[in-house]
Amino acid sequence: IAGITQAPTSQILAAGRRMTLRCTQDMRHNAMYWYRQDLGLGLRLIHYSNTAGTTGKGEVPDGYSVSRANTDDFPLTLASAVPSQTSVYFCASSDRPSSTDTQYFGPGTRLTVL
Amino acid sequence: AQSVTQPDIHITVSEGASLELRCNYSYGATPYLFWYVQSPGQGLQLLLKYFSGDTLVQGIKGFEAEFKRSQSSFNLRKPSVHWSDAAEYFCAVGNQGGKLIFGQGTELSVKP
Repeated sequence: IAGITQAPTSQILAAGRRMTLRCTQDMRHNAMYWYRQDLGLGLRLIHYSNTAGTTGKGEVPDGYSVSRANTDDFPLTLASAVPSQTSVYFCASSDRPSSTDTQYFGPGTRLTVL
Repeated sequence: AQSVTQPDIHITVSEGASLELRCNYSYGATPYLFWYVQSPGQGLQLLLKYFSGDTLVQGIKGFEAEFKRSQSSFNLRKPSVHWSDAAEYFCAVGNQGGKLIFGQGTELSVKP
């Protein structure tokens, strides 16, 4: 059982370029999340999806978009990357969109925007 | 507004010594509280969680945490630290709809 996989592991990107971070889970979880981790700020929620076909905005959604065409995949797109989007990005999932459900995290994608 | 504060950015303890990592939260209703650990280059792993009932919760790897409503705290403890415990630790509170609000994190170093 792989859990959550993320790709790429790391990426260096020129400012202005478009980039999609991939996230796939094999646990058939309904809810999925994208976080960014920055030093001194912890993890902040970018976007979430409570179930396939629905998405919502988190704390820091600007400059990012997501889609949830099926249960397993939850890609995060940066339409035109900027240096402030340099961060480590984590995808997570939980069985239900409930505060009592444990969120399981992927290994992360380290993104550098120059 | 809901928030989580971890006052200590970095803590160093000697191997075998006891450990306490502090976490304070601000949340209007009954909080759902979590501690996660992140080893270098890895994702986050759940150590323990508190929803209700006994205020002292046991987790994996010998960790425990105590919920104190009067102090709005959920401190993480371990009686004897091992070198493999060196990592970053995050406290989080769960709000409506399953969203987690994380603290800033505490980096733990372990001296041999």
